[in-house]
Amino acid sequence: TQLLEQSPQFLSIQEGENLTVYCNSSSVFSSLQWYRQEPGEGPVLLVTVVTGGEVKKLKRLTFQFGDARKDSSLHITAAQPGDTGLYLCAGVRGWQGGKLIFGQGTELSVKP
Amino acid sequence: DVKVTQSSRYLVKRTGEKVFLECVQDMDHENMFWYRQDPGLGLRLIYFSYDVKMKEKGDIPEGYSVSREKKERFSLILESASTNQTSMYLCASSGQGLAGANEQFFGPGTRLTVL
Repeated sequence: TQLLEQSPQFLSIQEGENLTVYCNSSSVFSSLQWYRQEPGEGPVLLVTVVTGGEVKKLKRLTFQFGDARKDSSLHITAAQPGDTGLYLCAGVRGWQGGKLIFGQGTELSVKP
Repeated sequence: DVKVTQSSRYLVKRTGEKVFLECVQDMDHENMFWYRQDPGLGLRLIYFSYDVKMKEKGDIPEGYSVSREKKERFSLILESASTNQTSMYLCASSGQGLAGANEQFFGPGTRLTVL
């Protein structure tokens, strides 16, 4: 069974601090996605990483896919209160229908 | 603007009741999914469908069934609701794409409480 371990589960920081969220597995994924979910809403896709070693940037967010395509990280620089939310990594498993396996999520709270 | 809608945001049912959760997407997507979300467990796949009338079990199908009679509509059915099915239920859809790396579009969720 493919599993995705996400850490930390909870993170409470002050505005302006940097943080990193990790997503690890013993399995190889064809690609990996990061979603953000705000209270009362469904998750929204932030990025998809496909190639081992790939780095993608989205403003102050930097996403990296491990060389072996088993792990990924999300780094936020100078966090802002608007970054508050639940961050979920999801590995794409197989080809049929684009099924995803999700990590447990990281609940981020950025205080002003 | 792409949209996935769910029939209810909040639902309270009694143990043993039959419960229907409806999901509609307007993106002409082939794939539709039902997840449940519980704290500390992330999203767990209940069922998914990759075509009309086609369905496959996900990781936790016990106690649930689904129906997809039309491309845009995917229903989740709890035949006899139990308290351990109290959860947030999320519906999602995605189109066909390369290597399965498809963005899933989610509805806002239905928070179901079974008393």
